[in-house]
Amino acid sequence: SQTIHQWPATLVQPVGSPLSLECTVEGTSNPNLYWYRQAAGRGLQLLFYSVGIGQISSEVPQNLSASRPQDRQFILSSKKLLLSDSGFYLCAWSGLTGPDSPLHFGNGTRLTVT
Amino acid sequence: SQQGEEDPQALSIQEGENATMNCSYKTSINNLQWYRQNSGRGLVHLILIRSNEREKHSGRLRVTLDTSKKSSSLLITASRAADTASYFCATDAGDSSYKLIFGSGTRLLVRP
Repeated sequence: SQTIHQWPATLVQPVGSPLSLECTVEGTSNPNLYWYRQAAGRGLQLLFYSVGIGQISSEVPQNLSASRPQDRQFILSSKKLLLSDSGFYLCAWSGLTGPDSPLHFGNGTRLTVT
Repeated sequence: SQQGEEDPQALSIQEGENATMNCSYKTSINNLQWYRQNSGRGLVHLILIRSNEREKHSGRLRVTLDTSKKSSSLLITASRAADTASYFCATDAGDSSYKLIFGSGTRLLVRP
């Protein structure tokens, strides 16, 4: 069966420090991969999505970047964190069955920038 | 940008009652999905309804879709305390991309 791993679960980082969040998927090939951010008590904001290795689509211009160095690995990065980068970051994957494919989410990383 | 908007933002009901949540969206879609999120966790897919479908059932869940009004509703019948969670609708972008855009969610509290 397919599983998605996301780490770390929580992270406290000072303003101006770098960030690297990692997400890996097991049990499937060529998944679509997504990074979302959720502010406290709010909906999900799509940050990046990827349909293949090295193919990254950015939805919101901001202080973050994403990379997909391997088929089932998706990394969210920042060179210098801002206070506004605090939030709950969720990685998700879907199959290649078109727009009907549901998303499967990891358990998220709660990032606090101090 | 926000595609789906749920209402109400929060809903509190007694166990055994039905809970209805609504979602409105802005552009044409291929499908609409509903997800559930327990506090501090990832989202879990509940049900998907395609644009050519008007109603769909899954256990105690009933979803309707009205494409003329660009709206959907999620009904949870005979609610249980364990149904307490946030519920989100999500729509595709109406194009061939794999983007899925989420609404702001409804926080449901089921009182035992």
